[in-house]
Amino acid sequence: GNSVTQMEGPVTLSEEAFLTINCTYTATGYPSLFWYVQYPGEGLQLLLKATKADDKGSNKGFEATYRKETTSFHLEKGSVQVSDSAVYFCALSDRYGNAGKSTFGDGTTLTVKP
Amino acid sequence: NAGVTQTPKFQVLKTGQSMTLQCAQDMNHEYMSWYRQDPGMGLRLIHYSVGAGITDQGEVPNGYNVSRSTTEDFPLRLLSAAPSQTSVYFCASSYSGSGELFFGEGSRLTVL
Repeated sequence: GNSVTQMEGPVTLSEEAFLTINCTYTATGYPSLFWYVQYPGEGLQLLLKATKADDKGSNKGFEATYRKETTSFHLEKGSVQVSDSAVYFCALSDRYGNAGKSTFGDGTTLTVKP
Repeated sequence: NAGVTQTPKFQVLKTGQSMTLQCAQDMNHEYMSWYRQDPGMGLRLIHYSVGAGITDQGEVPNGYNVSRSTTEDFPLRLLSAAPSQTSVYFCASSYSGSGELFFGEGSRLTVL
């Protein structure tokens, strides 16, 4: 079956530091890959996505590239802000058939200090 | 834009009580699902629906029932609550060709 492995947290950084959160996956077929973010007390919301190999998803300064050869989708940001403090989830899903039946990583808690 | 609406946001139950978590979406999405979120365990799929009248079990279905009589609504029923069902529950919807999930704000359930 499908699985997603995320870098264990929590991660604590100073403002303007570089962020990497590792994510690797196991899947049959050609899934879409996602990063979701959960701010304190809120539900999850999509941060970025990539639907095929070598696609790069980007949003709010965050980037992740779909690497089929290494089955990875690492999240990066060049300069984090205090407002980026949240829990980040890597996930995969089929677009058809089982669309919406996603598999999630365990989540990585990021705290950014001023 | 309502999106996905869940109620209630908070609920405390005693062991053995029953309740229903409501979920409604106004985006005409075919797919709806329920996840539970527990510390350090990410989100786990409870039940899933690909359209009105069609439901399927996810990873952790025991103790939960669902039905999908309309495209818009997907309630989750706990027939006899247990402390192990203390969790935060998220309803989500999606559409074919996407895989992206649209989440409700969550329902925090405590079973004493």
